[in-house]
Amino acid sequence: SQTIHQWPATLVQPVGSPLSLECTVEGTSNPNLYWYRQAAGRGLQLLFYSVGIGQISSEVPQNLSASRPQDRQFILSSKKLLLSDSGFYLCAWSELTGRPTDTQYFGPGTRLTVL
Amino acid sequence: AQSVAQPEDQVNVAEGNPLTVKCTYSVSGNPYLFWYVQYPNRGLQFLLKYITGDNLVKGSYGFEAEFNKSQTSFHLKKPSALVSDSALYFCAVRVPANQAGTALIFGKGTTLSVSS
Repeated sequence: SQTIHQWPATLVQPVGSPLSLECTVEGTSNPNLYWYRQAAGRGLQLLFYSVGIGQISSEVPQNLSASRPQDRQFILSSKKLLLSDSGFYLCAWSELTGRPTDTQYFGPGTRLTVL
Repeated sequence: AQSVAQPEDQVNVAEGNPLTVKCTYSVSGNPYLFWYVQYPNRGLQFLLKYITGDNLVKGSYGFEAEFNKSQTSFHLKKPSALVSDSALYFCAVRVPANQAGTALIFGKGTTLSVSS
């Protein structure tokens, strides 16, 4: 069966510091991968998605970036964190079939607090 | 523009009573609709989805959802609520196009509180 991991689970960082969040998927090949952010009291916002190694699409302009160095690894980064980057970051995967009916499965999330 | 609305921020029900969490959508063409549940400080868990066919979709943990095209709704239901059902529920829609990278559009979420 497929599993999705995220780490760290929680992170407290000062403003201006760098960020690296990692997501890995097991039990599947060539997945679509997604990064979402959930701000306090709000819904989910898509940040990035990837359909393959090195292929990243950004949905929202910001100081965050994403990379996909391996088939089942998705990394969210920042060079300098802002207070507004605080939130709950969720990684998700779906089968790379091209069907809009494909289900997205979410990881456990990373709680980021920027002070 | 595609959108999803969950008109209630919070729903309160007593254990054993039926529950409904409302969702309405606005998309061009036929929609593909999803329900997820989120427990505190956890990721989202998939409950069920509507693709086509029978308007009543059955999912995990005894939940079901009814698709109503004329009312553009996809309400989540359960005949008998449990205290353990207390969580944050999200409705989401995906546009019916061959776009593998197109993500889901989520509603703001509804907090369900089931009292004993």
